[in-house]
Amino acid sequence: EPEVTQTPSHQVTQMGQEVILRCVPISNHLYFYWYRQILGQKVEFLVSFYNNEISEKSEIFDDQFSVERPDGSNFTLKIRSTKLEDSAMYFCAETGTAYGYTFGSGTRLTVV
Amino acid sequence: AQKVTQAQTEISVVEKEDVTLDCVYETRDTTYYLFWYKQPPSGELVFLIRRNSFDEQNEISGRYSWNFQKSTSSFNFTITASQVVDSAVYFCALRFISNFGNEKLTFGTGTRLTIIP
Repeated sequence: EPEVTQTPSHQVTQMGQEVILRCVPISNHLYFYWYRQILGQKVEFLVSFYNNEISEKSEIFDDQFSVERPDGSNFTLKIRSTKLEDSAMYFCAETGTAYGYTFGSGTRLTVV
Repeated sequence: AQKVTQAQTEISVVEKEDVTLDCVYETRDTTYYLFWYKQPPSGELVFLIRRNSFDEQNEISGRYSWNFQKSTSSFNFTITASQVVDSAVYFCALRFISNFGNEKLTFGTGTRLTIIP
């Protein structure tokens, strides 16, 4: 299975700080996603991104969150002012492979 | 509703036993895809299988097999002769088209499988 790279693998941040999670997608794909998994819980949809625009977002994806693809390659998720409840595993994903969805290895975000 | 239910929260079996993980789904779509992912303690999501709604053939891959039954809206996963390395959380997921015309995945709550040596 082709790889989607996420950085960092683990980030610890203080409440109120901004964090940027990065994803390096497989080239030539157009549809990107961010999903979140709070520890011990299910994986939840956050946002989908198509043709450099948000195509759909969940109720979790409030004004504190933003996504962009600043240089046509990296795909980022920004949380402006982190809260304790933002602590979770964040996965980026993309479609376009024979597998349907390819998930990155995840970023474990810990807000203290 | 677009929903996946994994009723088994945790399962423990002794090594070499067979184990079946249940997955029941709900969807209004006539075309949809079902997935299984493995999440080991390291946290990544490992793709296991994708099955589309038109293909009800059961599939076997080594010790893994999947039983897809549209009549009962189930897509169950069996591990034969389990091994300690099979210990992980397993998620079933449904790909559907949202009201906004976007494809999305919805996941079940996962089944934590522990293989006892």
